[in-house]
Amino acid sequence: DSGVTQTPKHLITATGQRVTLRCSPRSGDLSVYWYQQSLDQGLQFLIQYYNGEERAKGNILERFSAQQFPDLHSELNLSSLELGDSALYFCASSVQPQGGTGELFFGEGSRLTVL
Amino acid sequence: GENVEQHPSTLSVQEGDSAVIKCTYSDSASNYFPWYKQELGKRPQLIIDIRSNVGEKKDQRIAVTLNKTAKHFSLHITETQPEDSAVYFCAALQSHAQNYGGSQGNLIFGKGTKLSVKP
Repeated sequence: DSGVTQTPKHLITATGQRVTLRCSPRSGDLSVYWYQQSLDQGLQFLIQYYNGEERAKGNILERFSAQQFPDLHSELNLSSLELGDSALYFCASSVQPQGGTGELFFGEGSRLTVL
Repeated sequence: GENVEQHPSTLSVQEGDSAVIKCTYSDSASNYFPWYKQELGKRPQLIIDIRSNVGEKKDQRIAVTLNKTAKHFSLHITETQPEDSAVYFCAALQSHAQNYGGSQGNLIFGKGTKLSVKP
C-alpha cells in the first residue's frame, strides 16, 4: 500500500460525458502528479501541483483540468470524453515539489472506459 | 521539454540470464534518472535511481549506469528470476520552466519495456 488513494477504481461512461477522478496523497506529501497510461504509450505526464498551486503541465488536453485543494487532495476533471480518453489514470505524490529528490508514490489508478 | 526514448519495447530472457534496458534523454540539464517497475495490474514502484554526479549504482541484482555525455542510461538485471517479469519504465527529471525556489521539475517517463523471464 503506497498510501495514495484514488477513486473510483473503475469508471465506465459514454462519449461526451464528464467525469471527475479523485486522489488523496500520502500524509505529509505536498506534491501531486497526474499521469495517463494508455496501451503502448507508457506514462504520459499530465499535470503537477504543489501545495495547491500548479507547477507544471504536460500533454494535458484543454478538455481536461485539475486542481489541488487546501486539504491537499486533488481532482482531475475530464470533459467531452472521447473514445481515445479510455486509459488508466494514475495519481502520484511526493514529499517535495521536485520529483527528482523524492520518490514518487503511485496510487492504484482509476481505469476509465469510454463507450 | 524533456523527451525520453526507451528500448527495447519487449525483452524475453531465460531465467538466470541478464537483461539490459536502455534509455536516452534529450535535456542535458536533467540530473535525476529513476527506474520504476510495474507488475501486471499493479502500480509503478521505484526500484533504483541515479543522479548525474554518479556513473553507476548497484543494488543487489540490479544496477544502473549513466553516460551524461551521450545522454543515455541503462538498467541491468543479473541472474533474472520469474518474479522480475514486469514492465520497466525509465524516467528523467524535466526542469520547470520557471524557478519555483526549490521545485526542480517533474518526471518524464519512457514508454516502457515488457520483460518476460522464462523458467
